[in-house]
Amino acid sequence: DQQVKQNSPSLSVQEGRISILNCDYTNSMFDYFLWYKKYPAEGPTFLISISSIKDKNEDGRFTVFLNKSAKHLSLHIVPSQPGDSAVYFCAAPVFWGGATNKLIFGTGTLLAVQP
Amino acid sequence: KAGVTQTPRYLIKTRGQQVTLSCSPISGHRSVSWYQQTPGQGLQFLFEYFSETQRNKGNFPGRFSGRQFSNSRSEMNVSTLELGDSALYLCASSEGLNYEQYFGPGTRLTVT
Repeated sequence: DQQVKQNSPSLSVQEGRISILNCDYTNSMFDYFLWYKKYPAEGPTFLISISSIKDKNEDGRFTVFLNKSAKHLSLHIVPSQPGDSAVYFCAAPVFWGGATNKLIFGTGTLLAVQP
Repeated sequence: KAGVTQTPRYLIKTRGQQVTLSCSPISGHRSVSWYQQTPGQGLQFLFEYFSETQRNKGNFPGRFSGRQFSNSRSEMNVSTLELGDSALYLCASSEGLNYEQYFGPGTRLTVT
């Protein structure tokens, strides 16, 4: 059961334009979400997170939006740069007896930013 | 601070053998989690250790095991390797009950 879904395996965007990466989830108990970025041959790098008490969180060129009623979140990158080309994962922590560091990851979206 | 380190970076083993992977977390981090990444299944949680105790376990067979030492370094072991165990194994550390996990570069395991 894929509780966190990224339905677009890839996305191509022109440099300077906006990149929008989407993520859907099925478990209404999720109350915190994270985005990670991964380059080949490297581990994922934490980008930005959002709590369910917010509907938007911004950090520089990166903004994450959360729509709880639709169980949907999106990551906006503006402006997109060639160095942003990577695989992006959304993730949610799963509580287990009140303490957890277990993350459920989406399948990832490969972003290609064209110069 | 130095990041999460994993050794070895690459490994080739034969079906039926066993393997041990090592992870050194960021200094001061007490939680270490392990994930398996494969093209078909994506990133899947294996287990998490905190203060030498396994706190969470994913849906993997008993051939996958791990441990954590008093200095927070962690090892994972896979016994009786199968072809399907070929994957990138990632280790992540965090300070404690903290959602921000910092990942190492991974160990690429190939089983032939």
